[in-house]
Amino acid sequence: DVKVTQSSRYLVKRTGEKVFLECVQDMDHENMFWYRQDPGLGLRLIYFSYDVKMKEKGDIPEGYSVSREKKERFSLILESASTNQTSMYLCASSESGLEGGNIQYFGAGTRLSVL
Amino acid sequence: RKEVEQDPGPFNVPEGATVAFNCTYSNSASQSFFWYRQDCRKEPKLLMSVYSSGNEDGRFTAQLNRASQYISLLIRDSKLSDSATYLCVVTLIGGTSYGKLTFGQGTILTVHP
Repeated sequence: DVKVTQSSRYLVKRTGEKVFLECVQDMDHENMFWYRQDPGLGLRLIYFSYDVKMKEKGDIPEGYSVSREKKERFSLILESASTNQTSMYLCASSESGLEGGNIQYFGAGTRLSVL
Repeated sequence: RKEVEQDPGPFNVPEGATVAFNCTYSNSASQSFFWYRQDCRKEPKLLMSVYSSGNEDGRFTAQLNRASQYISLLIRDSKLSDSATYLCVVTLIGGTSYGKLTFGQGTILTVHP
């Protein structure tokens, strides 16, 4: 089974702190994604990566950055956390290619509260 | 206009009922279509793909109407375990899309005894 592991289930941070959310996948997938999920808004793509050291902005990249130094690990960074970044963050991975690339496997999520 | 729109519900149905969810998408270049399921406090998981000819998986039937840019999911003989949020998902192929999925906001289904 594909496993996508997010380092924390719950995090509480203060405004202005630098926050790191870590995600590791064990299936050698090329593509990795970070989403946030908010009530009434659904999943929104923050950033994605289709290869090591490659990254692409998603729909809402402002206030976030990412790092992919190794194929299995994709980190989301909040340089200076703000209260409007309180949300559920979901990491996902998928294979490359037309077929496998459409099936994303998600981690269990990190619920981040910024006070 | 949102790229993918769903009726958020909630839909509350008794066991054994048939329930249908609808979804519309705005980009006519969309190539692939899916339904994902998300249980309460869990991550989304692929439920089924949606093909132009329509497809069925047990009690679940998915339909695609490209002309109307419309996707549907029909659940027959609802079970308590079907209670979840159902996410309509659309993808573009090519360019920098690389399997980028666009999610609807989800439709909440509650099946009661």
